[in-house]
Amino acid sequence: GAVVSQHPSRVICKSGTSVKIECRSLDFQATTMFWYRQFPKQSLMLMATSNEGSKATYEQGVEKDKFLINHASLTLSTLTVTSAHPEDSSFYICSASSPGTAFFGQGTRLTVV
Amino acid sequence: GNSVTQMEGPVTLSEEAFLTINCTYTATGYPSLFWYVQYPGEGLQLLLKATKADDKGSNKGFEATYRKETTSFHLEKGSVQVSDSAVYFCALRTGGSGNTGKLIFGQGTTLQVKP
Repeated sequence: GAVVSQHPSRVICKSGTSVKIECRSLDFQATTMFWYRQFPKQSLMLMATSNEGSKATYEQGVEKDKFLINHASLTLSTLTVTSAHPEDSSFYICSASSPGTAFFGQGTRLTVV
Repeated sequence: GNSVTQMEGPVTLSEEAFLTINCTYTATGYPSLFWYVQYPGEGLQLLLKATKADDKGSNKGFEATYRKETTSFHLEKGSVQVSDSAVYFCALRTGGSGNTGKLIFGQGTTLQVKP
């Protein structure tokens, strides 16, 4: 099956710094990528939908200036958490969509200290 | 709006027990339905799916049948193993089988299988 690679798997950063998370579809072209956030013992909450070559569409309540999404090619999307704060600590998961299904990255555990 | 509701966990079973995780949905149109599994420390993996009413998805001994009349997609397995311990997410996507739209997830159900 299709593979989606997400990097890094874990990152610890200081409060106020920025962190970039990469999501790559390795064997198919993903015209649409999604970014989810998962809080402990809770479900995945969609943050934004990213279409290649266009601006991301953010869900209500998600700050677009804080969570910068770039989808410059059909195989790469990035999420940058800017000026990170401890409350941004979470598990972030990307998903690359193909007709009929979706493939998920391994997730990134972000800890802001 | 569209939503997915799963039974609350954790579900704790002994090895070889029968598993059922309930999932019901609310959606406009005819959604595709999915079960995803998340093993500890990993991302989500597609377990099985069904794209139209009465379809049965199956994989690794797990099954789920798309029941339009009861808007349900319950996950079942006849004999669970310790390695099945994970969090299971039910999800839907509207727009037809070829759609690449967003998934809407249930809250997840943690399964713990004891030897």
